[in-house]
Amino acid sequence: EPEVTQTPSHQVTQMGQEVILRCVPISNHLYFYWYRQILGQKVEFLVSFYNNEISEKSEIFDDQFSVERPDGSNFTLKIRSTKLEDSAMYFCASSEVGRGYGYTFGSGTRLTVV
Amino acid sequence: TQLLEQSPQFLSIQEGENLTVYCNSSSVFSSLQWYRQEPGEGPVLLVTVVTGGEVKKLKRLTFQFGDARKDSSLHITAAQPGDTGLYLCAGRENNNNDMRFGAGTRLTVKP
Repeated sequence: EPEVTQTPSHQVTQMGQEVILRCVPISNHLYFYWYRQILGQKVEFLVSFYNNEISEKSEIFDDQFSVERPDGSNFTLKIRSTKLEDSAMYFCASSEVGRGYGYTFGSGTRLTVV
Repeated sequence: TQLLEQSPQFLSIQEGENLTVYCNSSSVFSSLQWYRQEPGEGPVLLVTVVTGGEVKKLKRLTFQFGDARKDSSLHITAAQPGDTGLYLCAGRENNNNDMRFGAGTRLTVKP
């Protein structure tokens, strides 16, 4: 069964450093998403992306966050200057049909900011 | 901002029992999804419902979307220990925004 692949599975970074989280969505999917889940809390929407541009972003997705599809297969989330409160599981998801239908999630990247 | 409330927050039952968990909102949803999440893993999609009153079955799981498309329920018949997990609902309010998640119901099925 097709999978969404995320790398790395774990990342530890110092506060103020930049991190890039990588995702390979399912190959025929056209809609891409980033969500995060702080330990013990609910899954929160960050951003959706379609046709090489952001479709929607939440209030969490401020100027320190950016997304990019640098080639035909990767979808990345960059956090420019990490803060302690950025520590969370970051999940990438993709969908074929559109926003609101049949999301496939990756296994996540656990980001720890120290 | 849409808010999805799931109840109960925690549920612990014996193998073989039936259960229902709920997802409620004051918002009308164009689509609603149920996911199951294991510790340290991403959510796994169980079902998508889009039509008010819609009922979908997935083996022992029955999903219902409310007539007004503001609420949904998940019923599990004859629960098994393998059903243990965090059950999440997620809804999309309209065509301009994306799926938002509820906080989930953590189900434990004891053998």
